[in-house]
Amino acid sequence: DSGVTQTPKHLITATGQRVTLRCSPRSGDLSVYWYQQSLDQGLQFLIQYYNGEERAKGNILERFSAQQFPDLHSELNLSSLELGDSALYFCASSPSGLRTDTQYFGPGTRLTVL
Amino acid sequence: AQSVTQPDIHITVSEGASLELRCNYSYGATPYLFWYVQSPGQGLQLLLKYFSGDTLVQGIKGFEAEFKRSQSSFNLRKPSVHWSDAAEYFCAVLMEYGNKLVFGAGTILRVKS
Repeated sequence: DSGVTQTPKHLITATGQRVTLRCSPRSGDLSVYWYQQSLDQGLQFLIQYYNGEERAKGNILERFSAQQFPDLHSELNLSSLELGDSALYFCASSPSGLRTDTQYFGPGTRLTVL
Repeated sequence: AQSVTQPDIHITVSEGASLELRCNYSYGATPYLFWYVQSPGQGLQLLLKYFSGDTLVQGIKGFEAEFKRSQSSFNLRKPSVHWSDAAEYFCAVLMEYGNKLVFGAGTILRVKS
C-alpha cells in the first residue's frame, strides 16, 4: 500500500458524459501527478500540481482538467467522454517538487466509456 | 526526443531461473532512471531507481539494475525468479520538465513452474 488513495476504483459511463476522479496523496506530500494508461498509448503523463498550483502539463486533452485543493487532494475532470478515453487513470504523489523525489502511485481508477 | 524502449513485450522464465529485462533510453542529459512493477489490478510499485553514483543499483524483492551510459541501457536483473514475480515491469526516465516520468511500453513477465 503506497498511501495514495483513489476513488472510485471503477467507473462505467456513456459517451458524452462527464466524470470526476479523486486522488488523496500520501500524508505530507505536496505534489500530485496524473497519468493515463491505455492499451494503445501506454502510460502517459497528464499533469502535475504542486501545493495547489499547476506545475506541468503533458498530453492532456482540452476536455480534461484538474485541480488540487487546499487540503492537497486532487481531482481530474473528464468531460465529453469518448470511447477512446477508456483507460486506467493513476494518481501519484511525492513529498515536494524535487527531481530526487520518488513518485508513489495509487491503485488507479479504471474508466470504461460505453 | 526523450524515450524509453523495452524491446521485449513478453518474457517467460522458469521458476528459479535468472531474469534480465532490457531497457534502453534516449535522453540528452544525465538520466534519472526507474523500474516499476505492476501486478494485475494493482498500481505501480517502485523497484529501484538510479540518480547518480554506483552504476549497480539494488532494489526491493531481490532485484538489481545496472546503468550503462555507453549503451544507454538500464537493464533489470534477478538471479532467481519466484512465481510471485509474474507481473508487468516498466522502465522509466524522469524528465526535467514537471518531473514527469516517461515510461517504456512494459514487459510482461510470465513464470512457469
